[in-house]
Amino acid sequence: VQQVESGGGLVQPGGSLRLSCGVSGFTVSSNYMSWVRQAPGKGLEWVSLIFGGGDTYYADSVKGRFTISRDNSKNTVYLQMDSLRAEDTAVYYCARHRYGLGFFDSWGQGTLVIVSS
Amino acid sequence: IVLSQSPGILSLSPGERATLSCRASQSVSSNYLAWYQQKPGQAPRLLIYGASSRATDIPDRFSGSGSGTDFTLTISRLEPEDFAVYYCQQYGSSPWTFGQGTKVEIK
Repeated sequence: VQQVESGGGLVQPGGSLRLSCGVSGFTVSSNYMSWVRQAPGKGLEWVSLIFGGGDTYYADSVKGRFTISRDNSKNTVYLQMDSLRAEDTAVYYCARHRYGLGFFDSWGQGTLVIVSS
Repeated sequence: IVLSQSPGILSLSPGERATLSCRASQSVSSNYLAWYQQKPGQAPRLLIYGASSRATDIPDRFSGSGSGTDFTLTISRLEPEDFAVYYCQQYGSSPWTFGQGTKVEIK
């Protein structure tokens, strides 16, 4: 069981970035998958969820700006981030839900997003 | 639901008992409360779910208890690898939320 995030980097305010989470050891279409972020030196914040059936759910702080999706053929989950703000600066983790509940039993190593001019 | 963890920092020696608290601003539905351990530069690791169920491969020195609004993570005897930051998380109500963390440091 492993998730590997990629796609982070430095982006200007108002810009866009797409994060990827490549999964091995399980299928994304059979699991709930979330993105959780952690600002530098701060705590954890749940960002977005994609259900096994494909429905999606977002934290209010990113609703309308971020879009979660997946490609079952690539066993990969994505996070499209638009209209980025300085407060979106964080390490973004891809995490698997266990038993279809809201806790996370497997995490990737994270990818750092820095929003700055 | 806002989760408040205390203390912010816990200074202890190896072999000592650690008691970490997590208090919720309202009752956590079905005691859907999890605990995670995070070491510097690493992703969080699931320790406890359902308030008291240990995750796979978690040593039995870690135990969780509590219900409603008050939850506790206990580490019975601290090992050197247990010094880290611990977060609680509620998943009984959306949006799922985390506490601000308790750092367990070597005294």
